[in-house]
Parts: sequence; structure tokens; C-alpha cells
Amino acid sequence: GESVGLHLPTLSVQEGDNSIINCAYSNSASDYFIWYKQESGKGPQFIIDIRSNMDKRQGQRVTVLLNKTVKHLSLQIAATQPGDSAVYFCAAEGSNDYKLSFGAGTTVTVRA
Amino acid sequence: DAGVIQSPRHEVTEMGQEVTLRCKPISGHDYLFWYRQTMMRGLELLIYFNNNVPIDDSGMPEDRFSAKMPNASFSTLKIQPSEPRDSAVYFCASRYRGNTEAFFGQGTRLTVV
Repeated sequence: GESVGLHLPTLSVQEGDNSIINCAYSNSASDYFIWYKQESGKGPQFIIDIRSNMDKRQGQRVTVLLNKTVKHLSLQIAATQPGDSAVYFCAAEGSNDYKLSFGAGTTVTVRA
Repeated sequence: DAGVIQSPRHEVTEMGQEVTLRCKPISGHDYLFWYRQTMMRGLELLIYFNNNVPIDDSGMPEDRFSAKMPNASFSTLKIQPSEPRDSAVYFCASRYRGNTEAFFGQGTRLTVV
């Protein structure tokens, strides 16, 4: 299956600044890469996905970048807010199935 | 829709006892996943179903674990006998095949003492 891993386990960011969370993957055959957010005591929540044939996708305050050359994925959060404090997971969907493999997670803490 | 519903939210049991976790997926979703989350191992996929049929159970750690989906609106994950190392948060998630978004339940925090 797909193997995904995050670069940093924790990230502290000042409120209002931009956040960048990085992720690396090993299998180039995945069709989709997906970011999830998990708040304390809750299940993971979908943020945004990107198909493997795309380089960039934007959502509301979030942008996901995919660099297939170096097998790297990043999530950018603009104007980080206190409500963005959570654990962020990158995930990859298998090429021939719907198995979703998660990375280790980055804990983002927003400083007031 | 109320989302994916899991029960119980918390379960404390003694080693050796049988534990049954329950999940009600979102209506219309044709995929159901069971995950286990621990600090050491993160989010691990245990098993997933498509149209109530188990597709891949390679993540099920041992024969002590079993999962069923008797119909489209209900699934169970059973651990028998339970052991302290099974202590974790167990999540159920469902999705529709035409959408990458998986919806997770609130999880069941299992503590085996």
C-alpha cells in the first residue's frame, strides 16, 4: 500500500501568519492525495484533496501543492486562526482500491 | 444526516472480555472503514467493506479481531478476548465511491485493563 509520512511532528505559528505543513509519500501510483484535520476528541475531517495529475489546488484559505518529481505534498493555510489548531494528516488513496493510508500527523498550535 | 454514528463513545473492560464496537454509516455510502488510532502507530486501517462485503482485512492485527457488516446501515468490530494492548481509539468512516471524502465518526475510546 501507500506509505506517507510527515516531515515535522509539531508546528507553532503566530495567529495571522501562513502555515505550511509538509508530507512525503513513497508510491507514485496513488490517484489522490488528501489532507485531513483532527481536532481534540473528534474524528478526522476532510479538508481538501488533489488528484495525482494536478500540481496545485486551492480551497477556502487552503492550498495543496503536489510535487511528483520529489514525491512531496504540502498544505498551506493562509492567515492561520486559533480554530486551525489541530493535528493535520496527509493521506494517499490506493491506485486500484479505496484504501486510505495516513501519515503520522503534524500538530499545529496557533499562538495568539 | 447525523453523520457516522459510533457506539459506545467510551468503553472500559477487563482483559479477556469480549468487546463489540458499533457503527452506523451515512446513508447511501457504499464504503465503510474501520481504523485504530494510537500514539505509537497513528491511524491504522483495519478493514474496509464495499457494499457490505469485506474487501481487505489485511490490517486486522490478529484472529481476536473480527468485523461484520450485515447490512448497509450497520457494522460491528469485535475483539475477543481483549488485551491491554488493544487500548486505542477506534474510528469508523464511510464514503461514497464517487467522492474522495471519507466521513469519520467520533470514535470509541477503548481501555482494556
